[in-house]
Amino acid sequence: AQSVTQPDIHITVSEGASLELRCNYSYGATPYLFWYVQSPGQGLQLLLKYFSGDTLVQGIKGFEAEFKRSQSSFNLRKPSVHWSDAAEYFCAVLSGYSTLTFGKGTMLLVSP
Amino acid sequence: EAQVTQNPRYLITVTGKKLTVTCSQNMNHEYMSWYRQDPGLGLRQIYYSMNVEVTDKGDVPEGYKVSRKEKRNFPLILESPSPNQTSLYFCASSSGQGFGEQFFGPGTRLTVL
Repeated sequence: AQSVTQPDIHITVSEGASLELRCNYSYGATPYLFWYVQSPGQGLQLLLKYFSGDTLVQGIKGFEAEFKRSQSSFNLRKPSVHWSDAAEYFCAVLSGYSTLTFGKGTMLLVSP
Repeated sequence: EAQVTQNPRYLITVTGKKLTVTCSQNMNHEYMSWYRQDPGLGLRQIYYSMNVEVTDKGDVPEGYKVSRKEKRNFPLILESPSPNQTSLYFCASSSGQGFGEQFFGPGTRLTVL
């Protein structure tokens, strides 16, 4: 069965520092992968997605993610974190016809 | 503006009192789904619909019903809510092409006492 693991429940990063959020997936075929962000009290917003081609994908708000098939990973990165990036981040894999299987989320805290 | 709307946004109810959470999208999307979000569990799919009159169970369908009589609407029905259905619920829609972005509603926070 498809699954997504986000090993870090919480991460605290200083403002201006770099960020990497980890995501590992389990999927039999070529995965279609997504990162969503949920700000407090808000719905989910798509940051970026990977379907095929270039393994480094660019998203909104300065985020990028790298697909590594050999490691079954799709880690999210940002070179310099802003306080407004504090939110919960979800990695997901397309597990059926338009069905997403989500990880349990990583809460990002940004310290001044 | 393209959007998914949900109503109500907040609801407190009592065990056994039937309720409906509405979901509507204005993007002419074929695919719609419901998720629930619980702390430490992420989002789990309850039901989905690939088109009008076509619905199917997701990962956690027990205690829920859905209907898809119109393309734009996909209500979630709790016939007899129980406290374990206290959760944050999200409706989502996509073009149904499989690779399309899923657009999420703002969420409905339900408390069952």
